[in-house]
Amino acid sequence: EVQLVESGGGLVKPGGSLRLSCAASGFTFSSYSMNWVRQAPGKGLEWVSSISSSSSYIYYADSVKGRFTISRDNAKNSLYLQMNSLRAEDTAVYYCAREGGEYSYYFDYWGQGTLVTVSS
Amino acid sequence: EIVLTQSPATLSLSPGERATLSCRASQSVSSYLAWYQQKPGQAPRLLIYDASNRATGIPARFSGSGSGTDFTLTISSLEPEDFAVYYCQQRSKRTFGQGTKVEIK
Repeated sequence: EVQLVESGGGLVKPGGSLRLSCAASGFTFSSYSMNWVRQAPGKGLEWVSSISSSSSYIYYADSVKGRFTISRDNAKNSLYLQMNSLRAEDTAVYYCAREGGEYSYYFDYWGQGTLVTVSS
Repeated sequence: EIVLTQSPATLSLSPGERATLSCRASQSVSSYLAWYQQKPGQAPRLLIYDASNRATGIPARFSGSGSGTDFTLTISSLEPEDFAVYYCQQRSKRTFGQGTKVEIK
């Protein structure tokens, strides 16, 4: 069974940093591109970042470019999101999501999310 | 940047009725369009990918159609568990539409 479990969320002050993790199991992690998607309270879904299976290709939404860094450790079946210079508008539930295949774009499995709150 | 516009924002229907949800792209996305369902407090669930392919385990009452800029998600006969928010998503920058809420009338 495919499982994605996020961790690392919490309360942080504006300008602070946080590192999210996503532990993957039940599939060959090293064969899939992975993504972070967020959802502000009461709002819609916003794609944040993606990373290819071998970390060769990395993309970011304009809203987080230069502040967030996505990475992965295939030996540990883990995905990460380093978030720096956090703003109030980064407050959201952050989901880890697997892409359906190496060259696909849709997300066939999602974690349950971890809440990040940026507030003084 | 390609923008996805979903309509209507809210759809009020009764169980057993047919639901028709629209997603329009600001420029062609070919058939690279996916649909998701999200219930309160839950992660989204993939329903449809490549405009018309049902994901694993999705009931046949869900169907997708369209190509280019205009897409439709149809729920042929609403079950109680289908009342939720639905999002479309396209390939370029993985952007999502703003969502359509299907609520009980």
